[in-house]
Amino acid sequence: DVKVTQSSRYLVKRTGEKVFLECVQDMDHENMFWYRQDPGLGLRLIYFSYDVKMKEKGDIPEGYSVSREKKERFSLILESASTNQTSMYLCATTTSGVPYNEQFFGPGTRLTVL
Amino acid sequence: DAKTTQPTSMDCAEGRAANLPCNHSTISGNEYVYWYRQIHSQGPQYIIHGLKNNETNEMASLIITEDRKSSTLILPHATLRDTAVYYCIVRVPYNNNDMRFGAGTRLTVKP
Repeated sequence: DVKVTQSSRYLVKRTGEKVFLECVQDMDHENMFWYRQDPGLGLRLIYFSYDVKMKEKGDIPEGYSVSREKKERFSLILESASTNQTSMYLCATTTSGVPYNEQFFGPGTRLTVL
Repeated sequence: DAKTTQPTSMDCAEGRAANLPCNHSTISGNEYVYWYRQIHSQGPQYIIHGLKNNETNEMASLIITEDRKSSTLILPHATLRDTAVYYCIVRVPYNNNDMRFGAGTRLTVKP
């Protein structure tokens, strides 16, 4: 079974802090994604990566950056956390080369910025 | 913009079939229909997908209308553990920047 883990389930930070959210997968998947999930808005794609050191902006990249130094690890960085970044953050992975490439999600990190 | 429309919430009696509709009237010829669900405090979980034929797996059945403008996810014998938010998504496989989840349908299975 694919395992996608996220560094924390719950995180509380202060405005202006630099925040690192880490995602690790054990299935050698090429593609990794970061979403945020807010009530009534569904999941919104922040960034994704289809290879080591490669990244692409999703729909809402402002205020975020990402890092993919190793294939199994994809980090989301909030350079200067703000209260409007309080949200549930979900990491997902998928492999390339299959016709329907379902996404496998981690358990999520609920971030609160005070 | 969301490509799909789903009811906000639905109830279902335990042991009965749960039928969750999804409208995707602007679906294009190469887009698949995917269904995921999210149980409280967990990440979304893949359920099933289809292009134009009806599909069935161990979790659910997917019925896609002939014009492909709508579909229905069927949980044949709903249990309390099926209480979750169900998301219908249309996307082109291989297109990794096209994973857009709407608000989904909150299904409550009642005893």
